[in-house]
Amino acid sequence: DTEVTQTPKHLVMGMTNKKSLKCEQHMGHRAMYWYKQKAKKPPELMFVYSYEKLSINESVPSRFSPECPNSSLLNLHLHALQPEDSALYLCASSQPGSTGELFFGEGSRLTVL
Amino acid sequence: AQSVTQLGSHVSVSEGALVLLRCNYSSSVPPYLFWYVQYPNQGLQLLLKYTTGATLVKGINGFEAEFKKSETSFHLTKPSAHMSDAAEYFCAVSDRPSGSARQLTFGSGTQLTVLP
Repeated sequence: DTEVTQTPKHLVMGMTNKKSLKCEQHMGHRAMYWYKQKAKKPPELMFVYSYEKLSINESVPSRFSPECPNSSLLNLHLHALQPEDSALYLCASSQPGSTGELFFGEGSRLTVL
Repeated sequence: AQSVTQLGSHVSVSEGALVLLRCNYSSSVPPYLFWYVQYPNQGLQLLLKYTTGATLVKGINGFEAEFKKSETSFHLTKPSAHMSDAAEYFCAVSDRPSGSARQLTFGSGTQLTVLP
């Protein structure tokens, strides 16, 4: 069983909807990540939070808005998405200063109609 | 800057045959290296990692990899393929960590098919 939990597993939304993806970890990690993955491609980094502060934003469009309420939770708020944003969204966590190993959740499959 | 090259986007082997997935890296500092596996519609699971010490690393499910600095390689092997090994495999590299969150740079992935 994964120690990084993502909800929902599947999400279908229209282009005018507002929805959120949620991620939770209880490993005491202080770094959390959002990745976007298209079919047959490697994960693409979107955001990194380190000690609850946004440390990396890989030029992601503003229709994606991350939030880290505390060290265990990471949200990704979605608004006015485009069909090309349909993808698997992966959350991961790690411990800063460690070997850099990331622990991944099982992902949220997003479909934008 | 660091990068990872996985040779062969698709590899097919017969059940019971040797599995060899190739990974070469580029890094300005001694790297940390990882192999992840991804089954359909799932997240990435760590197979094994090289940090320091022994260059032959053993992982889960019978996989192992050898770090060869002179060849800048970290190829993944398994002596005998099983049908359940069919999945996407990603090689990744990370800089030596400091106190901040580290990033992984992923290769493009290799789809392994196991034939009966």
